[in-house]
Amino acid sequence: DGGITQSPKYLFRKEGQNVTLSCEQNLNHDAMYWYRQDPGQGLRLIYYSQIVNDFQKGDIAEGYSVSREKKESFPLTVTSAQKNPTAFYLCASSIDRFNQPQHFGDGTRLSIL
Amino acid sequence: AQSVTQLDSHVSVSEGTPVLLRCNYSSSYSPSLFWYVQHPNKGLQLLLKYTSAATLVKGINGFEAEFKKSETSFHLTKPSAHMSDAAEYFCARSSNTGKLIFGQGTTLQVKP
Repeated sequence: DGGITQSPKYLFRKEGQNVTLSCEQNLNHDAMYWYRQDPGQGLRLIYYSQIVNDFQKGDIAEGYSVSREKKESFPLTVTSAQKNPTAFYLCASSIDRFNQPQHFGDGTRLSIL
Repeated sequence: AQSVTQLDSHVSVSEGTPVLLRCNYSSSYSPSLFWYVQHPNKGLQLLLKYTSAATLVKGINGFEAEFKKSETSFHLTKPSAHMSDAAEYFCARSSNTGKLIFGQGTTLQVKP
């Protein structure tokens, strides 16, 4: 079955440490997205990518970085500059930026030790 | 401004009774509209989508939504709630930048 795989499901970070969240899709979608979800705040867009080797900042990109070296993969790095990284992170993809809907992975929950 | 407003942060119904989750959008044109459901510690699953075809859209699990341009609304309904419907529901709309704009979510509680 085609879908989006996020790993790990749970991740713990020490203060001052960078961590990378994995997102892989086998849907042959061009566009991929990263969202952050906090209780009562809905989904906020961190970064998105329309095509390989291209990505744009979303609404809350500070303290995060991404790469898109392969169509299937869109990893998100939470850097030490992100002062409040504890959240639920969701990866999504769509056929292309203007052909929704977006399909979502099952998320990664990041916590600070 | 392009936005989505979910009018209730929390809705509680009894099992077997109708469900109504309200969503209004703002737009200068008719966007594509979506409803997603999220169970605890899971991703979002698409329930249904409106893309300028029929104004009454049927989705999975017995849900449906009606697009009303005059009211800029896209409310989600289900005739009879099941315990398994308890979850968080998100309304979303397309934008002219290609991003999806989400509402803040509505928590649906289903009481036995």
